[in-house]
Amino acid sequence: EIVMTQSPATLSVSPGERATLSCRASQSFSSNLAWYQRKPGQAARLLIYGASTRATGIPARFSGSGSGTEFTLTISSLQSEDFAVYYCQQYNNWPWTFGQGTKVEIK
Amino acid sequence: EVQLVESGGGLVQPGGSLKLSCAASGFTFSGSAIHWVRQASGKGLEWVGRVRSKANSYATDYAASVKGRFTISRNDSKNTAYLQMNSLKTEDTAVYYCSAQGPVAGLFDYWGQGTLVTVSS
Repeated sequence: EIVMTQSPATLSVSPGERATLSCRASQSFSSNLAWYQRKPGQAARLLIYGASTRATGIPARFSGSGSGTEFTLTISSLQSEDFAVYYCQQYNNWPWTFGQGTKVEIK
Repeated sequence: EVQLVESGGGLVQPGGSLKLSCAASGFTFSGSAIHWVRQASGKGLEWVGRVRSKANSYATDYAASVKGRFTISRNDSKNTAYLQMNSLKTEDTAVYYCSAQGPVAGLFDYWGQGTLVTVSS
């Protein structure tokens, strides 16, 4: 199975700053990569699919990029509601696998 | 508004059984594959299994770690999916989430908030 590795585990960022989250795959694939956001006590939310396509209703400050084994989620200017845990997930190979998550916290 | 609400979690002894439910609303449940995903404390998300729609013969698939012990089913008339867990092990302790797949296979469009299962003596 494809192992997804996210870094860093925790990212401390001030509101208004840019956050860059990384996701590395153990095997190369094109673009079947998704990003999810989860806040404490809330359901997870699909942010990005196809490595770079924003899901319905997702603000433009969220962007995804990458292919092969290296993928990135960028939040251009962090808002208070963006402090959460972010997970990447590949849906290219069965079984679907997730990264360990990156916690974005207030600096 | 889309909602997925899990229930049925709790404390169970090793070797025991537990059945989780996932009640859905706000979308076409009958047309969606439903997945179960779990997260142990301090670990990442692990896909557990799925049940496909009637159009796909309610086919099921499971992770190797739970195959033969867990069974996923659904009742479209009740907009509810189930995860029957038998022969539970301590390593099955986790928060269990149900998720609804959209048009793209393997993409989890909607999630519930999860229910905690603790396997301990």
